[in-house]
Amino acid sequence: DGGITQSPKYLFRKEGQNVTLSCEQNLNHDAMYWYRQDPGQGLRLIYYSQIVNDFQKGDIAEGYSVSREKKESFPLTVTSAQKNPTAFYLCASSIAGSTGAKNIQYFGAGTRLSVL
Amino acid sequence: DQQVKQNSPSLSVQEGRISILNCDYTNSMFDYFLWYKKYPAEGPTFLISISSIKDKNEDGRFTVFLNKSAKHLSLHIVPSQPGDSAVYFCAAIRGSTLGRLYFGRGTQLTVWP
Repeated sequence: DGGITQSPKYLFRKEGQNVTLSCEQNLNHDAMYWYRQDPGQGLRLIYYSQIVNDFQKGDIAEGYSVSREKKESFPLTVTSAQKNPTAFYLCASSIAGSTGAKNIQYFGAGTRLSVL
Repeated sequence: DQQVKQNSPSLSVQEGRISILNCDYTNSMFDYFLWYKKYPAEGPTFLISISSIKDKNEDGRFTVFLNKSAKHLSLHIVPSQPGDSAVYFCAAIRGSTLGRLYFGRGTQLTVWP
């Protein structure tokens, strides 16, 4: 049963703490993405990766870091430098290297991060 | 700078009627457009898409229309059902950016019996 798995579903961060959100996909997709959703803001791109060992900053990368050591995994670390981390975080994946119908992104169920 | 805009944050429609959700974009380089549906506390799910070389795409109750000259697209749902109640996001792609989606802020659709 193919899909994207995000964990945990809920996460709490203490001030000054780094936390890591997990994203795993078994769709054999090349590209993976991290978005942040705030109320009334829609989805904003944090980081994306087209291939293993390569990633690019999105629109709101400050205070976040990622790694792409395996095709299936794209973890996101919310660092202590991110001063307003409370949000709903969504991971997505797609087939890279083409436009049109093949560029549909498939999303995980999300992780809600809150600050204690 | 919001390149994809959904100016109506909410829409309320009676069951069985047509729902029309609108989306405007500013970047003429966008060549593919998508609509996603999202329920609370879940990830968005792909609904329907359209290429810039077309002006209409239909899939069951869902039809997307594209007016390139006006930089405007719309999603029509006919007939609307209570299960359609969700947030709908419009998104766009520029071919040169290899799949980077630009999202609107979403429209909350409520379908009432």
